[in-house]
Amino acid sequence: DVKVTQSSRYLVKRTGEKVFLECVQDMDHENMFWYRQDPGLGLRLIYFSYDVKMKEKGDIPEGYSVSREKKERFSLILESASTNQTSMYLCASSIFVGRDSPLHFGNGTRLTVT
Amino acid sequence: GENVEQHPSTLSVQEGDSAVIKCTYSDSASNYFPWYKQELGKGPQLIIDIRSNVGEKKDQRIAVTLNKTAKHFSLHITETQPEDSAVYFCAASNRDTGNQFYFGTGTSLTVIP
Repeated sequence: DVKVTQSSRYLVKRTGEKVFLECVQDMDHENMFWYRQDPGLGLRLIYFSYDVKMKEKGDIPEGYSVSREKKERFSLILESASTNQTSMYLCASSIFVGRDSPLHFGNGTRLTVT
Repeated sequence: GENVEQHPSTLSVQEGDSAVIKCTYSDSASNYFPWYKQELGKGPQLIIDIRSNVGEKKDQRIAVTLNKTAKHFSLHITETQPEDSAVYFCAASNRDTGNQFYFGTGTSLTVIP
């Protein structure tokens, strides 16, 4: 089974802090994604990556950046955390572009910014 | 871009009854439609998917139907059980333009014993 591991289940940070959310997948998947989940809004794509060192903006990239230095690891960075970034963050991976492959999700990181 | 709408947002059924969740999509180029189940405290997990060249797919008590002309697809759960209680998400994707997934807003299903 594919395993997508998010390093923290819960995080509490202060406004203005730089925050790192880490995600690792163990199945050599090329694609990795960061979503944000809020009640009534579903899952919204923040950033995604098709390969090492490459990244693409999703629908809501403002206030976020990402890093993919190794194929198995995809980090989400909040440069200066704000209260409106309090949310559940979900990392996901899929095999490669051009194939009908589903997303495999981690269990999420619930971030609270105070 | 793609827009996926999902209804209803909440659904309560008696154990043993059927549950139906409906989604519509806007981009006719979307060609892959997975459904995810999210239990409390966990990430979404794939339960069934359908490709655009197929009208219906079944896996035990779960089935999905797709109407490409009308651009809608539905999840059907028969003989519901309390462990079916969860939030369900539909999604649409186009493998030819990068496998980005667009999600519905979710349906919270409660199965009453």
